[in-house]
Amino acid sequence: NAGVTQTPKFRILKIGQSMTLQCTQDMNHNYMYWYRQDPGMGLKLIYYSVGAGITDKGEVPNGYNVSRSTTEDFPLRLELAAPSQTSVYFCASSYLGQSNEKLFFGSGTQLSVL
Amino acid sequence: AQSVAQPEDQVNVAEGNPLTVKCTYSVSGNPYLFWYVQYPNRGLQFLLKYITGDNLVKGSYGFEAEFNKSQTSFHLKKPSALVSDSALYFCAVRRYSGAGSYQLTFGKGTKLSVIP
Repeated sequence: NAGVTQTPKFRILKIGQSMTLQCTQDMNHNYMYWYRQDPGMGLKLIYYSVGAGITDKGEVPNGYNVSRSTTEDFPLRLELAAPSQTSVYFCASSYLGQSNEKLFFGSGTQLSVL
Repeated sequence: AQSVAQPEDQVNVAEGNPLTVKCTYSVSGNPYLFWYVQYPNRGLQFLLKYITGDNLVKGSYGFEAEFNKSQTSFHLKKPSALVSDSALYFCAVRRYSGAGSYQLTFGKGTKLSVIP
Protein backbone atom coordinates (compact mmCIF):
# COMPACT_ATOMS: atom_id res chain seq x y z
CA ASN A 1 0.00 0.00 0.00
CA ALA A 2 1.88 3.06 -1.29
CA GLY A 3 -0.53 5.70 0.07
CA VAL A 4 -0.11 9.10 -1.63
CA THR A 5 2.66 9.30 -4.21
CA GLN A 6 3.99 12.57 -5.62
CA THR A 7 6.38 13.11 -8.48
CA PRO A 8 8.83 14.67 -9.02
CA LYS A 9 10.51 15.24 -5.65
CA PHE A 10 12.52 18.20 -6.86
CA ARG A 11 12.28 20.50 -9.84
CA ILE A 12 13.83 23.74 -11.00
CA LEU A 13 11.88 25.82 -13.50
CA LYS A 14 12.71 28.96 -15.38
CA ILE A 15 10.30 31.88 -15.24
CA GLY A 16 7.52 31.35 -17.76
CA GLN A 17 7.91 27.59 -18.04
CA SER A 18 5.06 25.21 -17.29
CA MET A 19 4.94 21.88 -15.53
CA THR A 20 2.61 19.34 -13.99
CA LEU A 21 3.02 17.93 -10.50
CA GLN A 22 1.70 14.42 -10.35
CA CYS A 23 -0.24 12.93 -7.43
CA THR A 24 -1.79 9.51 -7.16
CA GLN A 25 -3.34 7.63 -4.25
CA ASP A 26 -4.21 3.97 -3.92
CA MET A 27 -6.56 4.18 -0.93
CA ASN A 28 -9.74 4.83 -2.94
CA HIS A 29 -10.15 8.17 -1.20
CA ASN A 30 -12.82 10.53 -2.49
CA TYR A 31 -11.20 13.76 -1.36
CA MET A 32 -7.87 15.04 -2.65
CA TYR A 33 -6.05 18.30 -1.98
CA TRP A 34 -3.08 20.36 -3.06
CA TYR A 35 -1.26 22.51 -0.52
CA ARG A 36 1.78 24.70 -0.71
CA GLN A 37 4.09 25.19 2.22
CA ASP A 38 6.17 28.32 2.60
CA PRO A 39 8.61 28.82 5.50
CA GLY A 40 6.90 30.29 8.54
CA MET A 41 3.56 30.38 6.74
CA GLY A 42 2.09 26.97 7.39
CA LEU A 43 0.12 25.26 4.65
CA LYS A 44 -2.17 27.00 2.22
CA LEU A 45 -4.82 25.12 0.25
CA ILE A 46 -4.52 25.59 -3.52
CA TYR A 47 -7.25 23.34 -4.92
CA TYR A 48 -9.26 20.40 -3.75
CA SER A 49 -11.53 17.74 -5.22
CA VAL A 50 -14.43 15.86 -3.66
CA GLY A 51 -14.50 13.19 -6.34
CA ALA A 52 -13.71 12.42 -9.97
CA GLY A 53 -14.79 15.27 -12.20
CA ILE A 54 -15.28 17.75 -9.35
CA THR A 55 -12.71 20.34 -8.32
CA ASP A 56 -12.84 23.63 -6.46
CA LYS A 57 -10.55 26.48 -5.51
CA GLY A 58 -8.85 26.79 -2.17
CA GLU A 59 -7.22 29.81 -0.58
CA VAL A 60 -4.47 30.45 -3.16
CA PRO A 61 -5.54 29.10 -6.59
CA ASN A 62 -4.09 31.81 -8.84
CA GLY A 63 -1.49 30.52 -11.26
CA TYR A 64 -2.56 26.88 -10.90
CA ASN A 65 -4.98 24.47 -12.49
CA VAL A 66 -6.14 20.98 -11.60
CA SER A 67 -8.13 18.13 -13.05
CA ARG A 68 -9.59 14.96 -11.58
CA SER A 69 -10.42 12.46 -14.28
CA THR A 70 -10.04 9.42 -12.00
CA THR A 71 -10.39 8.73 -8.30
CA GLU A 72 -6.68 7.96 -8.05
CA ASP A 73 -5.05 10.92 -9.79
CA PHE A 74 -5.06 14.64 -9.07
CA PRO A 75 -2.40 16.49 -11.06
CA LEU A 76 -1.54 20.14 -10.42
CA ARG A 77 -0.60 22.27 -13.41
CA LEU A 78 1.55 25.38 -13.18
CA GLU A 79 1.26 27.68 -16.16
CA LEU A 80 3.80 30.46 -16.71
CA ALA A 81 5.83 29.77 -13.60
CA ALA A 82 6.74 32.76 -11.44
CA PRO A 83 9.28 33.13 -8.60
CA SER A 84 6.35 33.48 -6.18
CA GLN A 85 5.51 29.86 -6.89
CA THR A 86 8.77 28.67 -5.36
CA SER A 87 7.53 26.46 -2.57
CA VAL A 88 7.08 22.92 -1.33
CA TYR A 89 3.92 21.34 -2.68
CA PHE A 90 2.01 18.62 -0.89
CA CYS A 91 -0.77 16.45 -2.17
CA ALA A 92 -3.13 14.87 0.35
CA SER A 93 -6.19 12.66 0.38
CA SER A 94 -8.94 11.58 2.74
CA TYR A 95 -11.84 9.16 2.55
CA LEU A 96 -14.48 11.58 3.75
CA GLY A 97 -14.34 15.30 4.24
CA GLN A 98 -11.25 16.44 6.05
CA SER A 99 -13.25 17.70 8.99
CA ASN A 100 -13.80 14.21 10.32
CA GLU A 101 -11.10 12.17 8.73
CA LYS A 102 -7.39 12.44 8.89
CA LEU A 103 -5.50 13.57 5.83
CA PHE A 104 -2.83 11.39 4.27
CA PHE A 105 0.00 13.41 2.77
CA GLY A 106 2.52 12.67 0.07
CA SER A 107 6.21 13.36 0.68
CA GLY A 108 6.17 16.64 -1.24
CA THR A 109 7.64 18.31 -4.31
CA GLN A 110 10.22 21.03 -3.81
CA LEU A 111 9.90 23.53 -6.65
CA SER A 112 12.21 26.43 -7.39
CA VAL A 113 11.39 29.01 -10.04
CA LEU A 114 14.42 31.01 -11.13
CA ALA B 1 -13.05 33.61 10.57
CA GLN B 2 -11.84 30.27 11.88
CA SER B 3 -8.15 30.35 12.70
CA VAL B 4 -5.45 28.91 14.91
CA ALA B 5 -2.34 30.52 16.30
CA GLN B 6 0.87 28.85 17.35
CA PRO B 7 2.64 31.48 19.44
CA GLU B 8 6.05 29.79 19.49
CA ASP B 9 8.17 29.37 16.38
CA GLN B 10 10.50 27.00 18.23
CA VAL B 11 10.41 24.95 21.40
CA ASN B 12 13.52 23.35 22.90
CA VAL B 13 13.23 20.63 25.51
CA ALA B 14 15.67 18.18 27.07
CA GLU B 15 15.19 14.50 26.38
CA GLY B 16 13.07 12.88 29.09
CA ASN B 17 11.40 16.14 30.10
CA PRO B 18 7.73 16.84 29.45
CA LEU B 19 6.96 18.88 26.36
CA THR B 20 4.17 21.27 25.43
CA VAL B 21 3.49 22.81 22.04
CA LYS B 22 0.92 25.58 22.24
CA CYS B 23 -2.08 26.29 20.04
CA THR B 24 -4.95 28.72 20.49
CA TYR B 25 -8.01 28.88 18.30
CA SER B 26 -10.65 31.32 17.19
CA VAL B 27 -13.85 29.76 15.90
CA SER B 28 -17.56 30.35 15.92
CA GLY B 29 -19.43 27.36 17.23
CA ASN B 30 -17.86 24.12 18.36
CA PRO B 31 -14.29 23.71 17.17
CA TYR B 32 -12.90 20.70 15.32
CA LEU B 33 -9.18 20.74 16.08
CA PHE B 34 -6.25 18.70 14.83
CA TRP B 35 -2.53 18.21 15.35
CA TYR B 36 -0.17 17.08 12.61
CA VAL B 37 3.56 16.39 12.67
CA GLN B 38 6.08 16.82 9.87
CA TYR B 39 9.41 15.03 10.06
CA PRO B 40 12.27 16.35 7.88
CA ASN B 41 11.70 15.89 4.15
CA ARG B 42 8.38 14.18 4.74
CA GLY B 43 4.72 15.02 4.37
CA LEU B 44 2.52 15.78 7.35
CA GLN B 45 1.23 12.94 9.50
CA PHE B 46 -1.96 13.01 11.55
CA LEU B 47 -1.42 12.87 15.32
CA LEU B 48 -4.82 13.44 16.88
CA LYS B 49 -8.11 15.30 16.66
CA TYR B 50 -10.72 16.80 18.94
CA ILE B 51 -14.34 16.91 17.85
CA THR B 52 -16.33 16.45 21.02
CA GLY B 53 -16.20 14.55 24.29
CA ASP B 54 -13.28 14.29 26.68
CA ASN B 55 -11.08 17.34 26.88
CA LEU B 56 -7.96 15.16 26.92
CA VAL B 57 -7.38 13.54 23.56
CA LYS B 58 -4.82 10.78 23.10
CA GLY B 59 -3.03 10.31 19.83
CA SER B 60 -0.14 8.62 18.10
CA TYR B 61 3.43 8.22 19.42
CA GLY B 62 2.40 8.93 23.03
CA PHE B 63 1.14 12.44 22.34
CA GLU B 64 -1.98 13.92 23.84
CA ALA B 65 -3.72 17.26 23.62
CA GLU B 66 -5.84 19.14 26.10
CA PHE B 67 -8.85 21.08 24.89
CA ASN B 68 -9.61 24.10 27.06
CA LYS B 69 -12.72 25.97 26.05
CA SER B 70 -12.35 28.85 28.50
CA GLN B 71 -8.81 29.56 27.31
CA THR B 72 -9.57 28.65 23.67
CA SER B 73 -6.50 26.47 23.64
CA PHE B 74 -5.55 23.04 22.33
CA HIS B 75 -2.01 22.41 23.53
CA LEU B 76 -0.07 19.32 22.48
CA LYS B 77 1.71 17.46 25.25
CA LYS B 78 3.91 14.48 25.93
CA PRO B 79 5.10 13.35 29.38
CA SER B 80 8.62 12.40 28.33
CA ALA B 81 10.24 13.78 25.17
CA LEU B 82 12.36 11.67 22.83
CA VAL B 83 15.03 12.91 20.44
CA SER B 84 12.96 11.32 17.67
CA ASP B 85 10.11 13.71 18.50
CA SER B 86 12.13 16.55 16.96
CA ALA B 87 9.97 17.77 14.09
CA LEU B 88 7.62 20.51 12.91
CA TYR B 89 4.18 20.47 14.54
CA PHE B 90 1.06 21.99 13.06
CA CYS B 91 -2.23 22.78 14.72
CA ALA B 92 -5.30 22.98 12.46
CA VAL B 93 -8.96 23.90 12.70
CA ARG B 94 -11.88 23.03 10.51
CA ARG B 95 -13.62 25.86 8.74
CA TYR B 96 -16.71 25.90 6.57
CA SER B 97 -15.91 26.81 2.96
CA GLY B 98 -19.43 26.80 1.55
CA ALA B 99 -21.64 24.39 -0.41
CA GLY B 100 -21.42 21.78 2.30
CA SER B 101 -17.62 21.60 2.20
CA TYR B 102 -15.11 22.04 4.96
CA GLN B 103 -11.41 22.75 4.87
CA LEU B 104 -8.58 22.74 7.36
CA THR B 105 -6.79 25.95 8.25
CA PHE B 106 -3.29 25.27 9.53
CA GLY B 107 -1.18 27.25 11.94
CA LYS B 108 2.30 28.38 10.97
CA GLY B 109 3.95 25.48 12.72
CA THR B 110 6.23 25.07 15.74
CA LYS B 111 9.64 23.51 15.44
CA LEU B 112 10.32 21.16 18.33
CA SER B 113 13.92 20.30 19.13
CA VAL B 114 14.59 17.64 21.75
CA ILE B 115 18.11 17.93 23.08
CA PRO B 116 19.91 14.71 24.11
